[in-house]
Amino acid sequence: DTEVTQTPKHLVMGMTNKKSLKCEQHMGHRAMYWYKQKAKKPPELMFVYSYEKLSINESVPSRFSPECPNSSLLNLHLHALQPEDSALYLCASSPNQGSPYNEQFFGPGTRLTVL
Amino acid sequence: GEDVEQSLFLSVREGDSSVINCTYTDSSSTYLYWYKQEPGAGLQLLTYIFSNMDMKQDQRLTVLLNKKDKHLSLRIADTQTGDSAIYFCAESNRGGYNKLIFGAGTRLAVHP
Repeated sequence: DTEVTQTPKHLVMGMTNKKSLKCEQHMGHRAMYWYKQKAKKPPELMFVYSYEKLSINESVPSRFSPECPNSSLLNLHLHALQPEDSALYLCASSPNQGSPYNEQFFGPGTRLTVL
Repeated sequence: GEDVEQSLFLSVREGDSSVINCTYTDSSSTYLYWYKQEPGAGLQLLTYIFSNMDMKQDQRLTVLLNKKDKHLSLRIADTQTGDSAIYFCAESNRGGYNKLIFGAGTRLAVHP
């Protein structure tokens, strides 16, 4: 299985809602990533988990809360988001974070709209 | 510093070759990557090149690396309509975490 899956594909939420994005991989990868991608822009790194521990937080607002329950799963909890948070949220995984060759496998993304 | 630059748009005729260019600034980058993103989809790794190589060929794809000028290119031979997508070059940052630093992406449009 060489796939990264993400659910849901699309999500519409209000500014007072709480929702979660989910990501799963079964490739035995030990590094997992959350990216945010606005239209016509490259992905921007948000968080990196390495061996289930948070290793990078790119100064992301606290209304985004990542969680890595085990080595296959990565969640992104959303609360009190703003309309400008509307974007495509991409999850990725790689064998590990420390090696110079760091091929990241991306999921299809969750298209988030905040009303 | 870390900066990756690409031209934003390229239009080619079906069957012609496409060349997408990229420049980067981090001379310590060890690996450079080309990713493809189709509309509404995630990113797919197309190919990569190690920084001590000048060229890498993989079927229709040829990557050229000029390390002195920090210039990377992706050539797609016999471009097909299915190649229409956004192409991102990316470098691995060596600052201990191997973050991928992406360029802005080049939109390739293939017309008949």
